[in-house]
Amino acid sequence: QVQLVQSGAEVKKPGSSVKVSCKASGGTFSSYAISWVRQAPGQGLEWMGGIIPIFGTANYAQKFQGRVTITADESTSTAYMELSSLRSEDTAVYYCARESRIAAAGTVVHYYYYMDVWGKGTTVTVSS
Amino acid sequence: DIQMTQSPSSLSASVGDRVTITCRASQSISSYLNWYQQKPGKAPKLLIYAASSLQSGVPSRFSGSGSGTDFTLTISSLQPEDFATYYCQHSKTFGQGTKLEIK
Repeated sequence: QVQLVQSGAEVKKPGSSVKVSCKASGGTFSSYAISWVRQAPGQGLEWMGGIIPIFGTANYAQKFQGRVTITADESTSTAYMELSSLRSEDTAVYYCARESRIAAAGTVVHYYYYMDVWGKGTTVTVSS
Repeated sequence: DIQMTQSPSSLSASVGDRVTITCRASQSISSYLNWYQQKPGKAPKLLIYAASSLQSGVPSRFSGSGSGTDFTLTISSLQPEDFATYYCQHSKTFGQGTKLEIK
C-alpha cells in the first residue's frame, strides 16, 4: 500500500522560500499525478498545483503562478513543492496527495480523478 | 471557474442520526464529484468518488448521490467517529467545508 511521507515542519522569514518534499513508498510513483493542497489555520482546502512524474510537466493554480514550482524525481519517488516570496498568509499545512483515476463508462474515453492517498502534512510557518 | 458551494456550513447532530450534506456546482459537472472527511490535525480522507462510488474501506453508512449541479453526502446512522469536517471537490476546486458537530 503506497504511503506518502512528507518532510518536517518549517519556520521561514517573509520573503524567503520553502521546499517541501513528499516521498512515495510501497507502490508505483511515476504514473500517478501528485497534487499539492494547502490549508491555512481554520480554513478550507486549496489546490496549489500538481505533476505527473513520468511526464514531468507541472500545472499550477492561477493564484500561485510564478511563486510555486512543483517537481518530481522518479529515481527517488519524491515530489517537491517550492513556494517563494513567502508572506504571513502562506502559513499553512501543506499536503501532497496521489491522484488516482478510473475510466468512466461510455463511448468516449474520460476519467474520474480523485485524491486517494495523502501525506500527513507539513506545517509551514512564516514569521519575522 | 466552477464554484462549489456546500450547505450547511455547520451542523449539529446526535449519534444514530441520519445526516445529509449538500454540495452545489455553479454549472453542470456530470458526476465528477468527490467527498472527503477531515478530522482535526489529520489529512483529508477520501470517502466517495465519482459522486456515488464508495472508496474501499469506507463504511457503508456513507453514501453519495447526485449528478449535474446538485450532490449529497448521506451518513445513514452517525457514529462517534464521524464527527469531522466534510469537503466536496470537483477537479481542483473544493467546497468550503461542512463541520459536523455533536449535539
